[in-house]
Amino acid sequence: DQQVKQNSPSLSVQEGRISILNCDYTNSMFDYFLWYKKYPAEGPTFLISISSIKDKNEDGRFTVFLNKSAKHLSLHIVPSQPGDSAVYFCAAAADRGSTLGRLYFGRGTQLTVWP
Amino acid sequence: DAEITQSPRHKITETGRQVTLACHQTWNHNNMFWYRQDLGHGLRLIYYSAAADITDKGEVPDGYVVSRSKTENFPLTLESATRSQTSVYFCASSETPGNTIYFGEGSWLTVV
Repeated sequence: DQQVKQNSPSLSVQEGRISILNCDYTNSMFDYFLWYKKYPAEGPTFLISISSIKDKNEDGRFTVFLNKSAKHLSLHIVPSQPGDSAVYFCAAAADRGSTLGRLYFGRGTQLTVWP
Repeated sequence: DAEITQSPRHKITETGRQVTLACHQTWNHNNMFWYRQDLGHGLRLIYYSAAADITDKGEVPDGYVVSRSKTENFPLTLESATRSQTSVYFCASSETPGNTIYFGEGSWLTVV
């Protein structure tokens, strides 16, 4: 059973507009969340993260929002650029630093930003 | 710069053959992982290792074997390759298990 869910397999946005990628999780023990970006023929690369003690984290054009009560997080990209076209994976972890802790990934959302 | 490298990057093999995918990292991270990426499934954990000589199964371990005799290496072996193991395989490492992990560039394996 998937503990991290990305229900939208794809998203298409015009350049300059906002991209919003969504992620839901079921495990209430998750306390650390990450987004990874993946281009074709490359490995996933870390994009941004957020701890459960925060509800927002911003890094340039990228902002991640966390709603713990709804077990939902989202990644906002403003403004979107064609180079942002990639697959975005949401990931979550519990017990950071513990030998029991590890990352659980969603299935990914393909973002396409068109000119 | 520290890095994580995988080899081979591309391989075609026949059903029933043994295949080993190599993974080497220079960060001296204790934790290493093998994932496979398939359409519709995202990234699924095959095996992970918390330190040298310590390994554990992930979500989809069947048909795979790993070893971790040295901290920097974490090879993945398909003992008898099947067509269902055609996939892209990613090795990854992290300082701690639940922290940010860093991925290699991937190994594309086709089993015919």
